[in-house]
Amino acid sequence: EVQLVESGGGLVKPGGSLRLSCAASGFTLSSYSMNWVRQAPGKGLEWVSSISGTSKYIYYADSVKGRFTISRDNAKNSLYLQMNSLRAEDTAMYYCARAPQLVGPSDYWGQGTLVTVSS
Amino acid sequence: QSVLTQPPSASGTPGQRVTISCSGSSSNIGSDNVNWYQQLPGTAPKLLIYTNDQRPSGVPDRFSGSKSGTSASLAISGLQSEDEADYYCAAWDASLNGWVFGGGTKLTVL
Repeated sequence: EVQLVESGGGLVKPGGSLRLSCAASGFTLSSYSMNWVRQAPGKGLEWVSSISGTSKYIYYADSVKGRFTISRDNAKNSLYLQMNSLRAEDTAMYYCARAPQLVGPSDYWGQGTLVTVSS
Repeated sequence: QSVLTQPPSASGTPGQRVTISCSGSSSNIGSDNVNWYQQLPGTAPKLLIYTNDQRPSGVPDRFSGSKSGTSASLAISGLQSEDEADYYCAAWDASLNGWVFGGGTKLTVL
């Protein structure tokens, strides 16, 4: 059974940092691209970042470019999102999602981890 | 302001057919496939339609998708109370080099 479990969310002050993790199981992580998608409270979905299976291709939304870094460790079946210089507008539920191809659909999603940026 | 445009709300009575539109541009819907996601209250999104009109295993055939030019549509026939959810369209944008989503459509079953 495919499972994606996010962790690492929490309350952080503006300007602070957090590292999100996504533990994958039930499939071979290296065969899939992975995405981070976020959802601010009461708002719609916003794509954050994507990484190909071998980490060769990495893309970021303009809203996080230069502040967030996506990475993966296929040997540890894990995906990460390092978030620096956090702002109030980064407050959201962060989901990791699996995609068979970099520009393919996200076919499995985790349950999300909540990040709150507030003083 | 979302790159893809969806109506904020839609509604129908049980058994009815409803459609949700998604409008984009030549750099996203016009040049790539559209996927639709269903988000039930308090849960993570779920892939509902991929590559414009394909249903993942387990998705009832009451759900169908289509695309024409720079627009796409999701149709739900035989509406059921459990279809009450938020629906999002998404496409890869070649100009932005990233995924773009619609703002979401809240479907209410009256």
